Amino acid sequence: EAQVTQNPRYLITVTGKKLTVTCSQNMNHEYMSWYRQDPGLGLRQIYYSMNVEVTDKGDVPEGYKVSRKEKRNFPLILESPSPNQTSLYFCASSFGQGNPPLHFGNGTRLTVT
Amino acid sequence: LAKTTQPISMDSYEGQEVNITCSHNNIATNDYITWYQQFPSQGPRFIIQGYKTKVTNEVASLFIPADRKSSTLSLPRVSLSDTAVYYCLVGDGYSSASKIIFGSGTRLSIRP
Repeated sequence: EAQVTQNPRYLITVTGKKLTVTCSQNMNHEYMSWYRQDPGLGLRQIYYSMNVEVTDKGDVPEGYKVSRKEKRNFPLILESPSPNQTSLYFCASSFGQGNPPLHFGNGTRLTVT
Repeated sequence: LAKTTQPISMDSYEGQEVNITCSHNNIATNDYITWYQQFPSQGPRFIIQGYKTKVTNEVASLFIPADRKSSTLSLPRVSLSDTAVYYCLVGDGYSSASKIIFGSGTRLSIRP
């Protein structure tokens, strides 16, 4: 089944403890992206990647890192999480050419205390 | 990237046709119009995409006038399960500015 898989679905952590949210897609998509969703603010793009080893900042990249060493994986790294990064995170992917639709994962709900 | 404007919320009843309009006055020649549906705590799901005139699939229709400055998502005979947030996106998606931006969306509530 074609899908975007995020792990974990739920994560509670403390301020300053490094964490990684994984994202993997099995559709051979070139484009991958991370979003965070907060009440009243909609979906905001954190980082995106056009292809392997190519990443770029979205609208809210501060406090986040990403890497794209393989085509299928696009992990989101929080080196030193803070409470304002408590949010619902979504990973998405699509083919890089034309205007194909984005495929989203089921989300990761992160709470930083 | 063209900015979009949608109504914040809409209400309707089961069995009715619902039309959600999106304004995108600065749409560029290469831009497509894409609509997504999102249920609470789930990732957005692609509904339909178009460039001009009318597009129809098993779920919805998308009407785009000749000037392409707006578009209308039409949901025929809605049910309670169509209650969701609907997002209109405009862009070519994969130019140098690949920041795919979601607006606030339209919160559609369907009543029995």
